[in-house]
Amino acid sequence: KAGVTQTPRYLIKTRGQQVTLSCSPISGHRSVSWYQQTPGQGLQFLFEYFSETQRNKGNFPGRFSGRQFSNSRSEMNVSTLELGDSALYLCASSVGGTTYEQYFGPGTRLTVT
Amino acid sequence: AQKVTQAQTEISVVEKEDVTLDCVYETRDTTYYLFWYKQPPSGELVFLIRRNSFDEQNEISGRYSWNFQKSTSSFNFTITASQVVDSAVYFCALTTSGTYKYIFGTGTRLKVLA
Repeated sequence: KAGVTQTPRYLIKTRGQQVTLSCSPISGHRSVSWYQQTPGQGLQFLFEYFSETQRNKGNFPGRFSGRQFSNSRSEMNVSTLELGDSALYLCASSVGGTTYEQYFGPGTRLTVT
Repeated sequence: AQKVTQAQTEISVVEKEDVTLDCVYETRDTTYYLFWYKQPPSGELVFLIRRNSFDEQNEISGRYSWNFQKSTSSFNFTITASQVVDSAVYFCALTTSGTYKYIFGTGTRLKVLA
């Protein structure tokens, strides 16, 4: 069974631009979560989707948004990029929700210049 | 509030030594779930174990073992006879029903020297 895939793997953007990251969960997994990982803040929860519904959102500004499609694939969008948005963005999927183990993708490394 | 504390920022051991990574958690919920993940230099988090709050039985998987103690709110991870391939950052995480998110600790970087 294929693992969680994320595209693109690396991205360089300029301040003020926007970016869309994509995540394809493991087949059969309906829950997708997103995390931001930085050296200073560690792993910070962004949001969780289940069957196209956002069930929880972390403490991030409104510039960070996401969605999930009917096939469980998910995208996250960051508008008006800031230097501080440079991070590794990780997507994770689980079969039923976050009380189950999550399986993580390789991440998208975003660099904002 | 929920919180996970991994007080050990970095640990270095020599190959074949045993090492224990500490995890202390806080939650008011009686039903919760604890996890350990490994993040090797490649960056992808790898699931190691899941434990629910009603199951305090310790678990052993090869060289890995986990000690869950509700009395001290701890879920510690021991690697026996460490190997260089165990070098990674290890994260402990907590979730409860209905919160739909993990709370991660800050991670412990383990360096196993040959």
